[in-house]
Amino acid sequence: AQTVTQSQPEMSVQEAETVTLSCTYDTSESDYYLFWYKQPPSRQMILVIRQEAYKQQNATENRFSVNFQKAAKSFSLKISDSQLGDAAMYFCAYRSYYNQGGKLIFGQGTELSVKP
Amino acid sequence: DAGITQSPRYKITETGRQVTLMCHQTWSHSYMFWYRQDLGHGLRLIYYSAAADITDKGEVPDGYVVSRSKTENFPLTLESATRSQTSVYFCASTRQGLSTEAFFGQGTRLTVV
Repeated sequence: AQTVTQSQPEMSVQEAETVTLSCTYDTSESDYYLFWYKQPPSRQMILVIRQEAYKQQNATENRFSVNFQKAAKSFSLKISDSQLGDAAMYFCAYRSYYNQGGKLIFGQGTELSVKP
Repeated sequence: DAGITQSPRYKITETGRQVTLMCHQTWSHSYMFWYRQDLGHGLRLIYYSAAADITDKGEVPDGYVVSRSKTENFPLTLESATRSQTSVYFCASTRQGLSTEAFFGQGTRLTVV
């Protein structure tokens, strides 16, 4: 079975600075997808970024980028130029490429606070 | 309105009562999911469904029942609520195709007293 681990329950960053959230996962599969979701206080789950395991190039979405290390099974999220609106709970998630119903396996979450 | 909606948003119930959480999506997505969110555990899968009349257990199915008679609805029933089922429940859906995004409802905060 696949597992996802986020070892940082809480992180803090100064506004305009850069922060990196860590995520590791365990799988025996070679093809899969990885996601970062943001959950602000409204509880809404918002997709931040997605990475396909077969792509070597790291995904980037504006101020958000990932460092995907397939051999190390590591998938960290870097937030550049942090803004107050980035304060939220962040979840790393795994989805198998194979037909397992498309279900997501989540990490425990990292709560990010942004200091003005 | 298009999207995925859950009802109710908040619910307080007593131990032993049956309670049903509703989930409705307007996209005709094939796959639907129920997760529960607890501090320190992230989101854990309770049940999922690949299509109408097809459901399967997730990681934490005990004490829950689901049905899916119509593609757009996926209700979750707690047959006899326990305090350990106090949680925030999320419904999600995704269309067929594993690279596609999962869309989540707003969540239901359930308190069992």
